[in-house]
Amino acid sequence: DAKTTQPPSMDCAEGRAANLPCNHSTISGNEYVYWYRQIHSQGPQYIIHGLKNNETNEMASLIITEDRKSSTLILPHATLRDTAVYYCIVRAFNAGNNRKLIWGLGTSLAVNP
Amino acid sequence: GAGVSQTPSNKVTEKGKYVELRCDPISGHTALYWYRQSLGQGPEFLIYFQGTGAADDSGLPNDRFFAVRPEGSVSTLKIQRTERGDSAVYLCASSPRTSGYTDTQYFGPGTRLTVL
Repeated sequence: DAKTTQPPSMDCAEGRAANLPCNHSTISGNEYVYWYRQIHSQGPQYIIHGLKNNETNEMASLIITEDRKSSTLILPHATLRDTAVYYCIVRAFNAGNNRKLIWGLGTSLAVNP
Repeated sequence: GAGVSQTPSNKVTEKGKYVELRCDPISGHTALYWYRQSLGQGPEFLIYFQGTGAADDSGLPNDRFFAVRPEGSVSTLKIQRTERGDSAVYLCASSPRTSGYTDTQYFGPGTRLTVL
């Protein structure tokens, strides 16, 4: 079973920041938080990952709480092309052969004009 | 550079037939993964290759499913005696790292399999 919980759906106005929450209260010390998204009829796309520090790249920012039990993915200026299902996944680093990603149902983000 | 490619993009077959799905990973990526995704669900892990060998095949649902990667690059997922319940999008991903730490998986567009 997935080790994360996410709201099933969210809406955001175009040009505004989209803040997508994820709860991972049972996360272990050796587990990273990954975010992927899947635009309709496409394969999943990697967005960002982090361990305990906040991370930022050209796509998004990832804010992880100090206790690491939850995180928020921030799309700073959402566009219509950001409409997708967003998945939050935890997976151990130094995982040996246990490298599979375990996916939940994600959050369906609708960016509205 | 080129991403992960999968062929065919769509495959329609009849119940009981044999199908092969192909995945071309990103050049130089040593790890390759297969997942399948049913409508409205997240992807479900099937098998992971490190080089030519299957390092984790715990997700294969039964012995009708088999995958190979003979030269450590292209992989083929083979499904025998297909059933209607096998209908799904089959996703392939590859990653560059060979051991430990974070190895981001990059996905192809998927093959949509429909079993009539």
